[in-house]
Amino acid sequence: KAGVTQTPRYLIKTRGQQVTLSCSPISGHRSVSWYQQTPGQGLQFLFEYFSETQRNKGNFPGRFSGRQFSNSRSEMNVSTLELGDSALYLCASSLELAQNEQFFGPGTRLTVL
Amino acid sequence: DQQVKQNSPSLSVQEGRISILNCDYTNSMFDYFLWYKKYPAEGPTFLISISSIKDKNEDGRFTVFLNKSAKHLSLHIVPSQPGDSAVYFCAAVEYGGSQGNLIFGKGTKLSVKP
Repeated sequence: KAGVTQTPRYLIKTRGQQVTLSCSPISGHRSVSWYQQTPGQGLQFLFEYFSETQRNKGNFPGRFSGRQFSNSRSEMNVSTLELGDSALYLCASSLELAQNEQFFGPGTRLTVL
Repeated sequence: DQQVKQNSPSLSVQEGRISILNCDYTNSMFDYFLWYKKYPAEGPTFLISISSIKDKNEDGRFTVFLNKSAKHLSLHIVPSQPGDSAVYFCAAVEYGGSQGNLIFGKGTKLSVKP
């Protein structure tokens, strides 16, 4: 089975721009979660989607949003980028909602200049 | 405030010896714990987990111990191999309800020297 894929792998944006990241879960997995990894804060939960609905949300501002499509693929969007948004964004999939064992993609490295 | 803490940012061990990675947590509602391993430029990969009803879980060279009264868990790798060199993240989850997200520690970088 193919693993979780994320595109693009690397992205450079400037402050004020917006960005959309994409995640394709493992085939058959219906839940997709997004995490932000920074050196200072470690891995932090952004949100979880299941059946095209956001089911859980972490403590991030409204500039961070996402959606899930009927084929379970997910996108996350960050608007009005700030320097502090530079991070590795990881997507993880699991079979069902709120499952503990999640499978991570390689991440998208976002740099905001 | 951090709910999951890995107080050692790095650990260096000789090949063949035991590696012990520690993790402390503050939320007594956590009832499932996981360890993930992360190589550079890759996403974390699941290693081993333990439910709060157990105090030990083994999988090959990897053993996780849970001490609920101390709110402490540890990952033992025996024997350590150079390929184990990676960043190890401890994660916890509050089972049930609406909580499904993993709360991660900041990681411990393990270096296994040949």
